[in-house]
Amino acid sequence: DAGVIQSPRHEVTEMGQEVTLRCKPISGHDYLFWYRQTMMRGLELLIYFNNNVPIDDSGMPEDRFSAKMPNASFSTLKIQPSEPRDSAVYFCASSTQGPYEQYFGPGTRLTVT
Amino acid sequence: GDSVTQMEGPVTLSEEAFLTINCTYTATGYPSLFWYVQYPGEGLQLLLKATKADDKGSNKGFEATYRKETTSFHLEKGSVQVSDSAVYFCALINAGNMLTFGGGTRLMVKP
Repeated sequence: DAGVIQSPRHEVTEMGQEVTLRCKPISGHDYLFWYRQTMMRGLELLIYFNNNVPIDDSGMPEDRFSAKMPNASFSTLKIQPSEPRDSAVYFCASSTQGPYEQYFGPGTRLTVT
Repeated sequence: GDSVTQMEGPVTLSEEAFLTINCTYTATGYPSLFWYVQYPGEGLQLLLKATKADDKGSNKGFEATYRKETTSFHLEKGSVQVSDSAVYFCALINAGNMLTFGGGTRLMVKP
């Protein structure tokens, strides 16, 4: 079975540009999570969805960040405009048991120059 | 609030050495405890878990025991392999809230 799929795996962009990260959860999973990982702050939960509905976005750093889940098999995390401090690895995870038993994707490494 | 503290790495060991990675937590009530592993270039994978005091989680030769009295969940393995080189994260879930991760500990195993 395919795991969580994220694209692109690597993204390099210039400050001010819009960046869109994509995630396909495991089929049948009704929870989807977006995390950010940096050396300074470790792993941070940005937002999570249940049945395509955003439940908690308190971890989204600011209005430049937005996330959508238009259907059960696709989610996007958008940063507009991007800034160098947004450089990080962004992970998507999915589960059928809320925060328990999460399956993580391979991540997208974002570099903003 | 809830928090997880792990020993700082990197931890460097020779193959077949004994491994301990310390993890302590602060939380009210009775959280569930987890160890996740992140291999280079990959996402996190659940390694093992324990949901109540004195439970022992185990997987792939790794073990950790939920110690309520010392609020600890130390990860151990009797004989590490080069393939165990990764970053290990201790984490908890309390009262249905989201995962709270520790800072991660990098393990490097040399042949």
